[in-house]
Amino acid sequence: SQQGEEDPQALSIQEGENATMNCSYKTSINNLQWYRQNSGRGLVHLILIRSNEREKHSGRLRVTLDTSKKSSSLLITASRAADTASYFCATNQAGTALIFGKGTTLSVSS
Amino acid sequence: DAGVIQSPRHEVTEMGQEVTLRCKPISGHNSLFWYRQTMMRGLELLIYFNNNVPIDDSGMPEDRFSAKMPNASFSTLKIQPSEPRDSAVYFCASSFGAGLSYEQYFGPGTRLTVT
Repeated sequence: SQQGEEDPQALSIQEGENATMNCSYKTSINNLQWYRQNSGRGLVHLILIRSNEREKHSGRLRVTLDTSKKSSSLLITASRAADTASYFCATNQAGTALIFGKGTTLSVSS
Repeated sequence: DAGVIQSPRHEVTEMGQEVTLRCKPISGHNSLFWYRQTMMRGLELLIYFNNNVPIDDSGMPEDRFSAKMPNASFSTLKIQPSEPRDSAVYFCASSFGAGLSYEQYFGPGTRLTVT
């Protein structure tokens, strides 16, 4: 069963703007991870946030986690054309493998 | 490190033929995952191994699919006989650690087309 659902499905912005993507999930989790996939390539791990954490930063990335709402957001600040990709959230419950959502396709135009 | 290596990168075959996809995980990683990605169904976990032992193969679509990991540095995913609906991109990923909470490193994928 699908665990993570990203929203929106597609997002188009201009370079320099911020991009926010959301992920909602259904059951309790151990951690939540965000991955990026460039067209025709494999997924690349961006950031992992554990269920007892609320916010995490990595460079221009900021991830928040609200376990009460079963949701997470990924913020990319000062976006660049190179950020154009699909972004996936993946959740992990105790004893189970990661389940990926269907992704948000981000397009950053210069 | 070269990362996760998959071969072939592209495979075109006719329905009914056997297809074997190969994966070399990152050295030192002890978990290996096979995924399938399609537009309709997204990224699906087919099977994963820990220390070369299959742990969960509940995602394998049917008996036509089989996976092996004879040693820590090599795994295969075989489809026999192949069908057009098997057309997809197949990814192999590896991670370090016995648990399932660790970040995964993906290979470049094998794009399979079955005509």
